[in-house]
Amino acid sequence: SYELNQPTSVSVSPGQTASISCSGDNLGDRYASWYQQRPGQSPVLVIYEDSKRPSGIPERFSGSNSGNTATLTISGTQAMDEADYYCQAWGSSTAVVFGGGTKLTVL
Amino acid sequence: QVTLKESGPALVKPTQTLTLTCTFSGFSLRNSGMRVSWIRQPPGKAPEWLARIDWDDDKFYRTSLKTRLTISKDTSKNQVVLKMTNMDPVDTATYYCARTRPRENWFDPWGQGTLVTVSS
Repeated sequence: SYELNQPTSVSVSPGQTASISCSGDNLGDRYASWYQQRPGQSPVLVIYEDSKRPSGIPERFSGSNSGNTATLTISGTQAMDEADYYCQAWGSSTAVVFGGGTKLTVL
Repeated sequence: QVTLKESGPALVKPTQTLTLTCTFSGFSLRNSGMRVSWIRQPPGKAPEWLARIDWDDDKFYRTSLKTRLTISKDTSKNQVVLKMTNMDPVDTATYYCARTRPRENWFDPWGQGTLVTVSS
């Protein structure tokens, strides 16, 4: 079965750039999406189709996907960006796969 | 505004059948291409997709849970129902429903989720 791998945790200082990776076999051949989940809340879509931002998501969120790795980048990271982040792709036409999640700490 | 809300029991006993209802507004499952999925998230773990139902009543299930899951819809009530049989403590999780629009492969938005604990 298809798998997506993420680092368990990433730390960043306020105002700096955070990068969260998501790796999977030929992930670049599929679309990747990213979700932000703050404690006690539901996941919120922050990136879809590798690099597009939904309405209402700040411009500091961006994404890329090539080869075996998709990357979520948060520029000028703010304290409010501290959350768990999950990547997601389709393993097959009907099978959805989520990464294991990355805890972003802003310190 | 699109919203989804999950409802169901907070506690079920091992071997019982869980029935969850997703009630949504702001879109219709009569619309071509519209889909609703159920996704669960065990405490402290990543989300896990469970099942999906499409506007045309096509149904898809997580392979490893296929024998235990049944998804259905009531278009007139704007509801999607998930049944999971033979519940086990490892099924303890927050259960979410989420929408997927035509030609999209992501989930937006998600419901608020409902925590289901399996314990005797």
